[in-house]
Formats: sequence, C-alpha cells, structure tokens
Amino acid sequence: AQTVTQSQPEMSVQEAETVTLSCTYDTSESNYYLFWYKQPPSRQMILVIRQEAYKQQNATENRFSVNFQKAAKSFSLKISDSQLGDTAMYFCAFMNLYNFNKFYFGSGTKLNVKP
Amino acid sequence: NAGVTQTPKFQVLKTGQSMTLQCAQDMNHNSMYWYRQDPGMGLRLIYYSASEGTTDKGEVPNGYNVSRLNKREFSLRLESAAPSQTSVYFCASSEVAVPDTQYFGPGTRLTVL
Repeated sequence: AQTVTQSQPEMSVQEAETVTLSCTYDTSESNYYLFWYKQPPSRQMILVIRQEAYKQQNATENRFSVNFQKAAKSFSLKISDSQLGDTAMYFCAFMNLYNFNKFYFGSGTKLNVKP
Repeated sequence: NAGVTQTPKFQVLKTGQSMTLQCAQDMNHNSMYWYRQDPGMGLRLIYYSASEGTTDKGEVPNGYNVSRLNKREFSLRLESAAPSQTSVYFCASSEVAVPDTQYFGPGTRLTVL
C-alpha cells in the first residue's frame, strides 16, 4: 500500500513571503501522479497542482510550484508571494497510474498567512 | 454547473440510527468516491464507483454501504451509526478516460452521539 507523509502539522508565513510545504511518499510503483490540494475553512477541496511522475520538469501554476525528487520520493510545494487567501489546510496526495480510482492522502499541513 | 453537491451539510445522529448521505455531480464523470476526514489523518477512501453499476471497497468500508443510483448520483448509507463514524464526509468525482484529478463536494459534518 502507498503511504503519504506530511511531517509539518502547522506552518506560518508572512504575507508576500515564500513558504515550502513538505511531503514524502512511499511506493514501489514507477508510474503515478502526485497532487497538492487546498482546503480552506469552507472545507471544499481545491486542486492546486499536479505532477506526473514520468515528467522530470517540475510543475508550476502561477505562484505555486513543486520540487519533485523521484529518487528521494519527495514532493514539496512552494508558495511564492503568499497571500491571506492562501490560509488553508494543504494535502499532498498520491495516485497510482494503474489503479487510478484510489487516491492516498497525507494528514495535511495547516498554513497560516499573517498580515 | 454546480459541480459536486452533497446533502445534508450537517447531521447529528444517535448511536444505532441509520442515514443516507447524498451526492450528485453534473460534470458527466464516470467515477465517484466517498471519503472520510478525521483530525490528523487526512482523507481515507471508504468506497468508490469506477462507473455506473459498479462499486468497490476502499481503505475503510466497514459500517458503510453505497449505491450508484445512476451516473450522476452516488449515495453512502450508515445502517447503524456508531460514535467512531463521527467525521466529515466528502464525495468526489473524476473522469477516468485518462487519469485525472478529483473534484470534491463541500462535505457533510456528521456527529454520532
């Protein structure tokens, strides 16, 4: 079974600064997807960014980028120019390409952006 | 286009009572999912339905049943609620023509006394 670990239960960052959230995973598979989801106080899960394991280039979406280290099984999320609206829980998730009906989620990191 | 909707938003049950959580999506997705979210544990998959007419167990299926009523709707039933089922429940859907991302509903907060 796959496991996803987020070792930072809570983090804080000043508005306009950069913050990095960590995620590691354990799998014996070679083809998979990794995701970061954001869950604001409204509780709805919102996709932030997606990374295909076969791609060496790190994914970016505006202020959000990832550092994907396949050999180390590490998948960190960098948020640049942090905004108050970034305050939320962030979940790292893993999906096996051959069983893509099953997502595995980490326990989440609560990010507080301070003015 | 409402995306994924869930009803109810909140529910309080007594131990032993039954209830059904409803989920519907209007994105014409084939796959639908039910998760539970507990503090410090992230989301765990309860059941999923890869396509209309099929359902499969996830990580934590005990105490739950599901019905894929049609392509749009996927319900989760608690036959005899227990305090351990106090949680926030999320429904999600995705298109599986190619591996894709999941779209989540707003969640249902369930408390079992």
